[in-house]
Amino acid sequence: GNSVTQMEGPVTLSEEAFLTINCTYTATGYPSLFWYVQYPGEGLQLLLKATKADDKGSNKGFEATYRKETTSFHLEKGSVQVSDSAVYFCALIPDTGRRALTFGSGTRLQVQP
Amino acid sequence: KAGVTQTPRYLIKTRGQQVTLSCSPISGHRSVSWYQQTPGQGLQFLFEYFSETQRNKGNFPGRFSGRQFSNSRSEMNVSTLELGDSALYLCASSLTGTVFRGTEAFFGQGTRLTVV
Repeated sequence: GNSVTQMEGPVTLSEEAFLTINCTYTATGYPSLFWYVQYPGEGLQLLLKATKADDKGSNKGFEATYRKETTSFHLEKGSVQVSDSAVYFCALIPDTGRRALTFGSGTRLQVQP
Repeated sequence: KAGVTQTPRYLIKTRGQQVTLSCSPISGHRSVSWYQQTPGQGLQFLFEYFSETQRNKGNFPGRFSGRQFSNSRSEMNVSTLELGDSALYLCASSLTGTVFRGTEAFFGQGTRLTVV
């Protein structure tokens, strides 16, 4: 079946540090890939997406590149802010079968001033 | 434009009771999906409705059911509540649903259900 694996958290960084959150997936074909962010007490917000191999999704300084050869979609940001503290979810929608979001377990990011 | 609205935000129910949760999607969106979020199992897909028809269903028991009305509002019902049903239930709306590549789903703030 389809699955998404994310690095365990929490990830604790100082403000302006570089961020990488690893995400790998298992799915047949060419799934669409997403990063969602959840702030405390809130629902999920789409951060970025990529729908085909080598696509780069970007938003608010965050980037992720769809790597078919390594089945990965790692999230990166060059300089994190305290306001980026949240839980980040990597997710996919397969291109065959049941087309619903399959999420990773989430990675909590804590940014200290 | 208004976002996805879920009501109520918080609920406390007793084992064996039933509960109904409501979701109003973004105006013009015809697809509504429901997800359960728990610390142990993470985010899991419950079902998707499109134009009043269930189009997709996750691996949950029949106690979990839903429906969608002609105005695209959706309700989710859980009967014979169990302690393990305590979770954050999230609703997501999208224009056309997840059958199309890269479809963006907009999530509500969720309903926090506690079963005691």
